[in-house]
Amino acid sequence: GAGVSQTPSNKVTEKGKYVELRCDPISGHTALYWYRQSLGQGPEFLIYFQGTGAADDSGLPNDRFFAVRPEGSVSTLKIQRTERGDSAVYLCASSLMGDTDTQYFGPGTRLTVL
Amino acid sequence: GNSVTQMEGPVTLSEEAFLTINCTYTATGYPSLFWYVQYPGEGLQLLLKATKADDKGSNKGFEATYRKETTSFHLEKGSVQVSDSAVYFCALGGGVFGGGADGLTFGKGTHLIIQP
Repeated sequence: GAGVSQTPSNKVTEKGKYVELRCDPISGHTALYWYRQSLGQGPEFLIYFQGTGAADDSGLPNDRFFAVRPEGSVSTLKIQRTERGDSAVYLCASSLMGDTDTQYFGPGTRLTVL
Repeated sequence: GNSVTQMEGPVTLSEEAFLTINCTYTATGYPSLFWYVQYPGEGLQLLLKATKADDKGSNKGFEATYRKETTSFHLEKGSVQVSDSAVYFCALGGGVFGGGADGLTFGKGTHLIIQP
């Protein structure tokens, strides 16, 4: 079956611009997570959705970052006024409600802010 | 808060050597513990997990035992192959009393290089 997919795979933007990153979870997975992985580091948790609602957004670094999941499936991570420090690989993961510890990761979107 | 510390890489070994990658953690409650692997050009994959103390996770010849007394979850393999070359991440998750729904906390990763 299809795994977690993310688009685009690469995104280059200029400082100050707005970007949207998309995640398509595995069908039937109600839990969805966003992580950010900087070069040479492990992934860092950003936000967790259970269904349509953000159950935990404690990892979002500041109010320039926002994520939605309006129909409980596809999610979009939105970054306003991008900064060079936002450059990283943004990973999405999904899991079944009854097994939220077992997360399946997508290939990631590499964001480069010039 | 939760944190994971794993040995710095790169770790370079010859084929058929014994592998240990150390991982220790700090957490409240009783988290679940994981090893994820990232092969070149691929996404993160769950390698193995353990959900309670003294549990042993195993997969593809890799093993790790959840040691609560030493807060460790070291990854081992008896005989590595060139195809094991990858970056390995130790991680912890909510588990019991740990929030369950929270995101995983990862270590920085250990780059493993196996030479033929």
